Amino acid sequence: DAGVTQSPTHLIKTRGQQVTLRCSPKSGHDTVSWYQQALGQGPQFIFQYYEEEERQRGNFPDRFSGHQFPNYSSELNVNALLLGDSALYLCASSLNAGTGVSGNEKLFFGSGTQLSVL
Amino acid sequence: DQQVKQNSPSLSVQEGRISILNCDYTNSMFDYFLWYKKYPAEGPTFLISISSIKDKNEDGRFTVFLNKSAKHLSLHIVPSQPGDSAVYFCAASAPANFGNEKLTFGTGTRLTIIP
Repeated sequence: DAGVTQSPTHLIKTRGQQVTLRCSPKSGHDTVSWYQQALGQGPQFIFQYYEEEERQRGNFPDRFSGHQFPNYSSELNVNALLLGDSALYLCASSLNAGTGVSGNEKLFFGSGTQLSVL
Repeated sequence: DQQVKQNSPSLSVQEGRISILNCDYTNSMFDYFLWYKKYPAEGPTFLISISSIKDKNEDGRFTVFLNKSAKHLSLHIVPSQPGDSAVYFCAASAPANFGNEKLTFGTGTRLTIIP
């Protein structure tokens, strides 16, 4: 049973470019969340996708956008890259079973994509 | 505005002894707290959680204590083992729209277990 897979594992871009990161959730999961982890910091919530819609968003500018596909996989897009966007981008998946119970303890993280902006 | 704080960036503990990792929070709306463990080149993995209606939750060698009045929680690992060496993140969530909770993480504590 494959866990959460992210691609690519590493990426180098220059300022002003655009980047797309990809995530496949754990089998059976339908919800995908994206987090940014800067060096020496904890992960910061970017947004969450469920039923192909953005359901909640953290404090990130519109340059950060996403998409969820019918097969539950997801993409994170960042436009007009800044040096400060250099970070580890983590994807996490969970099952939103609709029971009202927090799914966060069943949040499974991928190994992340390390983005370097030069 | 750091709503979840882990003031100790690193901690070294002798194998077999107790490891105590601390976490403070400022947002009184947080009602669910979690600890994640992270090895290098891997994503964080869930360790243990506690609801705000409890003050203690235990799972094997891991126990989490919550002091709501002090807005403080701690993770106890007894006995500590070399495989426990990792970065530990404290995280919290607040009630949101149904099924739409997000996690707020601390900056992490690097735990090193000395054989």
